Amino acid sequence: QTVVTQEPSLTVSPGGTVTLTCASSTGAVTSGYYPNWLQQKPGQAPRSLIYSTSNKYSWTPARFSGSLLGGKAALTLSGVQPEDEADYYCLLYYGGAHLTWVFGGGTKLTVL
Amino acid sequence: QVQLQESGPGLVKPSGTLSLTCAVSGDSISSSNWWSWVRQPPGKGLEWIGEIYYSGSTNYNPSLKSRVTISVDTSKNQFSLKLSSVTAADTAVYYCAREVSGSGGDYWGQGTLVTVSS
Repeated sequence: QTVVTQEPSLTVSPGGTVTLTCASSTGAVTSGYYPNWLQQKPGQAPRSLIYSTSNKYSWTPARFSGSLLGGKAALTLSGVQPEDEADYYCLLYYGGAHLTWVFGGGTKLTVL
Repeated sequence: QVQLQESGPGLVKPSGTLSLTCAVSGDSISSSNWWSWVRQPPGKGLEWIGEIYYSGSTNYNPSLKSRVTISVDTSKNQFSLKLSSVTAADTAVYYCAREVSGSGGDYWGQGTLVTVSS
């Protein structure tokens, strides 16, 4: 059973910078896992922010960036805004025999 | 603009079959994309269920594979989910999404709550 692990919760001050990470039970996360990051606010559908490690959608605010960091996928928010308070999920692709996507458990980001 | 809309019964009896449809507009389901289903139990995280290509090729979450069938209807530009032998643990908001190259989902439906209860 493949497990994708994220920090359960993080707190950041408005205007600050925070990095969320995403680890795989199978080993180091590489670009071949096509890391995705999604944001979800209460009562809303998920909104995709980052795909293939660091690519942004047209609607992704510039303050969000994706990378690989120390064997994990990472999402960095620079100049955090109050509206960034949300749950953030990473999503990794596992090829090979199963060809599946697996979500992390999510990180609840509090802006305080 | 691409839009996805889930539809189906909001209440399913235990041991029954959950059936949902995702109608796609703004894109052809026969385009070079995969189409997926994701669910979220109340108060919990997201779970990937499976995906389908317009040709009918599918991939499923191994933990659900024995109970899941995803199909596509190109004439109606929609795809569907069937989950059999449901229990209360299958109560969740079900989302459909479009996958593009390297993306596990760019456009998402608004989600539909399915409750399993007698």
